[in-house]
Amino acid sequence: NAGVTQTPKFRILKIGQSMTLQCTQDMNHNYMYWYRQDPGMGLKLIYYSVGAGITDKGEVPNGYNVSRSTTEDFPLRLELAAPSQTSVYFCASSPPGQGYEQYFGPGTRLTVT
Amino acid sequence: AQSVTQPDIHITVSEGASLELRCNYSYGATPYLFWYVQSPGQGLQLLLKYFSGDTLVQGIKGFEAEFKRSQSSFNLRKPSVHWSDAAEYFCAVGSFGNEKLTFGTGTRLTIIP
Repeated sequence: NAGVTQTPKFRILKIGQSMTLQCTQDMNHNYMYWYRQDPGMGLKLIYYSVGAGITDKGEVPNGYNVSRSTTEDFPLRLELAAPSQTSVYFCASSPPGQGYEQYFGPGTRLTVT
Repeated sequence: AQSVTQPDIHITVSEGASLELRCNYSYGATPYLFWYVQSPGQGLQLLLKYFSGDTLVQGIKGFEAEFKRSQSSFNLRKPSVHWSDAAEYFCAVGSFGNEKLTFGTGTRLTIIP
């Protein structure tokens, strides 16, 4: 049981490039989330999903897109990367009925230059 | 809307001393409350959670937290800290029927010998 896995661990992008951050969970959780973490700012919710085929915006969705075609996978797409997207990105998942307790992946550190 | 305040950005404690990290929340009904710990370069790990019942909850690594409705607080405590407790600690609040958690901005804990 690997829990929540994220790839890649690190990535450097040039301004205007695109990339997809991968997130997979093997716990059969319905709910999945993407956060970004900036120093002193805590975690900001980008997008979340309550099940396959259903996604919704969080607090800071601009510049990002998501899809949820399976229960296990929840990729985050960055289009036209900007320096403001330099951050650490965390994926999390949650089973229903437990107060939405979240399980986190190890994170992806992204630098846009 | 739910919100969380962690008033201490950084706390320094001597090894073996007791610890209390503060968390205040804002939410009209009974909240779901969580404490997470993040070691450097790692994802977030759940320390403990409160949903209902006994207001003093025990967690992993010797941590405990007390829910005080009258003070809208959920402070984290440990009787004697170890050098390995140095990390960042996040308080989070959720609620029934709301699949999203709101995180505080975190408290960085430094342990000195």
